[in-house]
Amino acid sequence: GENVEQHPSTLSVQEGDSAVIKCTYSDSASNYFPWYKQELGKGPQLIIDIRSNVGEKKDQRIAVTLNKTAKHFSLHITETQPEDSAVYFCAASNSNDYKLSFGAGTTVTVRA
Amino acid sequence: GAGVSQSPSNKVTEKGKDVELRCDPISGHTALYWYRQSLGQGLEFLIYFQGNSAPDKSGLPSDRFSAERTGGSVSTLTIQRTQQEDSAVYLCASTFRGREGRVFGPGTRLLVL
Repeated sequence: GENVEQHPSTLSVQEGDSAVIKCTYSDSASNYFPWYKQELGKGPQLIIDIRSNVGEKKDQRIAVTLNKTAKHFSLHITETQPEDSAVYFCAASNSNDYKLSFGAGTTVTVRA
Repeated sequence: GAGVSQSPSNKVTEKGKDVELRCDPISGHTALYWYRQSLGQGLEFLIYFQGNSAPDKSGLPSDRFSAERTGGSVSTLTIQRTQQEDSAVYLCASTFRGREGRVFGPGTRLLVL
C-alpha cells in the first residue's frame, strides 16, 4: 500500500516569513495529493489539492508543487500570519484508492 | 446540513463499556468515511461506505469495532468492550462521490479510563 512521509513534524516561523512542508510517497500510481489544515479542536479542512497532470498549483498565499519523478510534493505558505498556525496533513491516493494515505502531520506555529 | 456533524463531541467511558459514535454527513453525499486520529498521529482509515455497496471494513482494527449506515445517510461507529488504546479522536468525512472534496466533521474525542 501507499506510504506517505511528512517533514518536518514541527515548524516555527516568524510572521511574514514563508513555511514549507514536504511529503514523499511510495506508490508511483498515486495521482491525487490533497493538503488539509486542522485547527485545534476541529476536523481537518481541505486547503488545496493537486493532480498528477500538473506540477504546481497556487491559491493566494498557498502553493503546492509536485515532482512525480522524485515522488514528492510540497506545501508552500508565503507571508505567514498567526491564523496559519495549525497542523497540516498531506495525503496521497491513486485512482482506485478512496482511502487516502495521510502523512503524520506538521505542527506549524507562526510567531507574532 | 451545512457540514458534517458528529456526536458526542467528547466521550469519557470506563474500560470494558460499549460506546456509539454518530456521524451526520452532508446531505446528498453518497460516500462516508471513518478515521481514527491518535495523539500526534496522522489519520488512520477505518471504514468506507459508498451508496448501497458493501462497506470496506478493511481498516477496522479488531472485531470490537463495527459501523453501519442507515438509509444511506447517518452512520454509527460502535466500539464494544472499550480498551484504553481506543482513546483517540474519531473523525467522520463525506464526499459527493469518489475520493475528492472530502469534508471532515469536528470529530468525537474518546477517552477510555
